[in-house]
Amino acid sequence: DTGVSQDPRHKITKRGQNVTFRCDPISEHNRLYWYRQTLGQGPEFLTYFQNEAQLEKSRLLSDRFSAERPKGSFSTLEIQRTEQGDSAMYLCASSEPQGSGNTIYFGEGSWLTVV
Amino acid sequence: GEDVEQSLFLSVREGDSSVINCTYTDSSSTYLYWYKQEPGAGLQLLTYIFSNMDMKQDQRLTVLLNKKDKHLSLRIADTQTGDSAIYFCAEINTGGFKTIFGAGTRLFVKA
Repeated sequence: DTGVSQDPRHKITKRGQNVTFRCDPISEHNRLYWYRQTLGQGPEFLTYFQNEAQLEKSRLLSDRFSAERPKGSFSTLEIQRTEQGDSAMYLCASSEPQGSGNTIYFGEGSWLTVV
Repeated sequence: GEDVEQSLFLSVREGDSSVINCTYTDSSSTYLYWYKQEPGAGLQLLTYIFSNMDMKQDQRLTVLLNKKDKHLSLRIADTQTGDSAIYFCAEINTGGFKTIFGAGTRLFVKA
């Protein structure tokens, strides 16, 4: 197994453009998470899926953000009309069903720079 | 609310032990974690401890948990330059799906 993979690793976009990030979780993991990390901070929870169902969304996730996991496997995070404040690293993570402490395993992250 | 606090910096000499401390607020946390992050990379799980344990050892790593004081520590024995990174303490929320992270402790190892 190759772990959690994210694509693209880096994205530079102009303010106002839309961007989409993709995450492929570890294959047997049914839970998938998106986090955002800015410089000097720890990751902040954005949203969580169990299979294809989006069960929780943070207040950090404004209307410009949408996440999907249509078949319960890979997930996408789209940011519409990007703003400079969206510049951050977007981390995807996955975990097994309960029983292993819900330990989450992270991908390498997708860096977004909005200019 | 849920909160995790860590000191921001720690500097040690190569070969010494490092101790990184963390306090958390959610007394119902079932699991507590330590993650390591190197520059430009994602977070790597180092170890975790169940809340009914007070110590866990894994090679050079020792985790101590004081549940009464809500204090967690990570000791790295024989610290190497390759251990230089940011270390994040984290707890899982009572719902069991949201992991709350501290701001990270930046460990500098001097040769």
